[in-house]
Amino acid sequence: EDKVVQSPLSLVVHEGDTVTLNCSYEVTNFRSLLWYKQEKKAPTFLFMLTSSGIEKKSGRLSSILDKKELFSILNITATQTGDSAVYLCAVVSDSNYQLIWGAGTKLIIKP
Amino acid sequence: DTAVSQTPKYLVTQMGNDKSIKCEQNLGHDTMYWYKQDSKKFLKIMFSYNNKELIINETVPNRFSPKSPDKAHLNLHINSLELGDSAVYFCASSQELAGYNEQFFGPGTRLTVL
Repeated sequence: EDKVVQSPLSLVVHEGDTVTLNCSYEVTNFRSLLWYKQEKKAPTFLFMLTSSGIEKKSGRLSSILDKKELFSILNITATQTGDSAVYLCAVVSDSNYQLIWGAGTKLIIKP
Repeated sequence: DTAVSQTPKYLVTQMGNDKSIKCEQNLGHDTMYWYKQDSKKFLKIMFSYNNKELIINETVPNRFSPKSPDKAHLNLHINSLELGDSAVYFCASSQELAGYNEQFFGPGTRLTVL
């Protein structure tokens, strides 16, 4: 059965800290892995990763995929209170083109 | 301009009723989706619809049915509502099939069944 596991489930850090969120997966015919940020409403897209070892970067956020070990990490440096959110990881299989979502990591940044 | 819109934002109804949630996207995307997010924030795909091909998550009860009058709309009809249907329902769209590019989400519809 395809599955996505995120860790930790929740994390509380102070402003300025660096955090690393993990996403491991088991899926047949891997197509891509996506990261989303969800605050109070709809998830908003962060990154899509398809190739191993290529870091995607956007400001203080970066992500990388390891297709051999079947995981991805999302790094946030110099965290700000606005980074507080649930971070969701999803994986797509070429078998059915549907996103399989992890349970999310709830990140709280304390001022 | 809202990319993916849903109506209503909130829906409170009695058990046994039939209700619909509407979704429209103005992005010109080919694929649309319905997701259910439960109280634990776990997102589950319910349906995806691409070029008139419907892919159904087999765990979705047949009380739920998507209807697509055209490429820009994918509405969700729910018959005989049950307490367990209470959740936030998100509509989303993407240019191509999932996994080739990002999905854009609507604001969500919070359904409460009493």
